[in-house]
Amino acid sequence: DAEITQSPRHKITETGRQVTLACHQTWNHNNMFWYRQDLGHGLRLIHYSYGVQDTNKGEVSDGYSVSRSNTEDLPLTLESAASSQTSVYFCASSTLPGDTQYFGPGTRLTVL
Amino acid sequence: AQSVTQPDIHITVSEGASLELRCNYSYGATPYLFWYVQSPGQGLQLLLKYFSGDTLVQGIKGFEAEFKRSQSSFNLRKPSVHWSDAAEYFCAVGENSGYALNFGKGTSLLVTP
Repeated sequence: DAEITQSPRHKITETGRQVTLACHQTWNHNNMFWYRQDLGHGLRLIHYSYGVQDTNKGEVSDGYSVSRSNTEDLPLTLESAASSQTSVYFCASSTLPGDTQYFGPGTRLTVL
Repeated sequence: AQSVTQPDIHITVSEGASLELRCNYSYGATPYLFWYVQSPGQGLQLLLKYFSGDTLVQGIKGFEAEFKRSQSSFNLRKPSVHWSDAAEYFCAVGENSGYALNFGKGTSLLVTP
């Protein structure tokens, strides 16, 4: 069955380190998204991509970057991790913009 | 500005009682509307969605939602709640010309015996 996976599921890192969170989908969806979830804020969009070589900034993109070299993967990189980036990160994909998004299980990131 | 509002942060219902979770949106055009559920430690699962047509939409797990254009609302309902329905519920709105979904901040549902 098609699915969307995230790794690692849990990560603890130190302030200033570079961290990359992986997202892999086998739906063959063109559109992929990264969100962060924080108490009281719901889900906030970090970056999104409409296809290979396409990336766009979302609502809370500062300190994050993504790259899309193939259809299946959209890794999220924290260039220099900050304590404010402690959060749960969700990756999602969809066939069309504005259409149903399918979510991965999430990555809980703690920055000490 | 486009927005999605879930007025209730927490709701407590007794098992077997009916449930209604509210969602209001502010969008210029007819939006695509979604309800997602998130169990503790899990990702989001789609309950139901509305794109067009019949304004009463049936979803999984016995949930339904009604789109009311005049009230800009898309409330989620269930006639009889089960203990396993305890979770976080998110309303989301999209557009066919938009780039992503806009999520409400969620409603946490507690089910008591």
